[in-house]
Amino acid sequence: EAGVTQFPSHSVIEKGQTVTLRCDPISGHDNLYWYRRVMGKEIKFLLHFVKESKQDESGMPNNRFLAERTGGTYSTLKVQPAELEDSGVYFCASSQDFSRGGNEQYFGPGTRLTVT
Amino acid sequence: AQTVTQSQPEMSVQEAETVTLSCTYDTSESDYYLFWYKQPPSRQMILVIRQEAYKQQNATENRFSVNFQKAAKSFSLKISDSQLGDAAMYFCAYTWGGSEKLVFGKGTKLTVNP
Repeated sequence: EAGVTQFPSHSVIEKGQTVTLRCDPISGHDNLYWYRRVMGKEIKFLLHFVKESKQDESGMPNNRFLAERTGGTYSTLKVQPAELEDSGVYFCASSQDFSRGGNEQYFGPGTRLTVT
Repeated sequence: AQTVTQSQPEMSVQEAETVTLSCTYDTSESDYYLFWYKQPPSRQMILVIRQEAYKQQNATENRFSVNFQKAAKSFSLKISDSQLGDAAMYFCAYTWGGSEKLVFGKGTKLTVNP
């Protein structure tokens, strides 16, 4: 079974440009999460999809970030326009059924974003 | 506010020895879950061990075990018979009932010396 995949693995862009990150969850996982780790800081939650719906987007830093999950499969996270403070590693994770709580989340390898 | 604190940025252990990684958390929830995740160098983060707060018994997974002290809000990870492959960043994380978002500590980098 394929794990969570993310593309690209690295991205270097200039301030003001747009970048789109992609995440493919494990097949059959309804829950998809985005997290971000800025250097030296904790990994921070960004948002949670259940199928194609945004269950919790309380961690999205501002309206320059747009996440989508059309059809409830893969997800994209677009940053437009990118700022220097957006640099970091963006992780995607997925999990199975929500019902029992505290479900194991399976993480992707992350996308390292550098904004110069 | 829910927070997770890992007070040891780095730890080292000799191969075959035992090491304990510390984690404390702050919550007002009664229904919550605690995790230790491991991220080896240049590899994906994987779950090491999971503890449900309502369970008094400490979780164990092979050489990995936790010391869950609910009143003290402490959740330490013990690695026995350390192996070179245990070298990684270890993240303590927490979530609560009704939410699935994980709150992470800053991580502890574990080095295993041969």
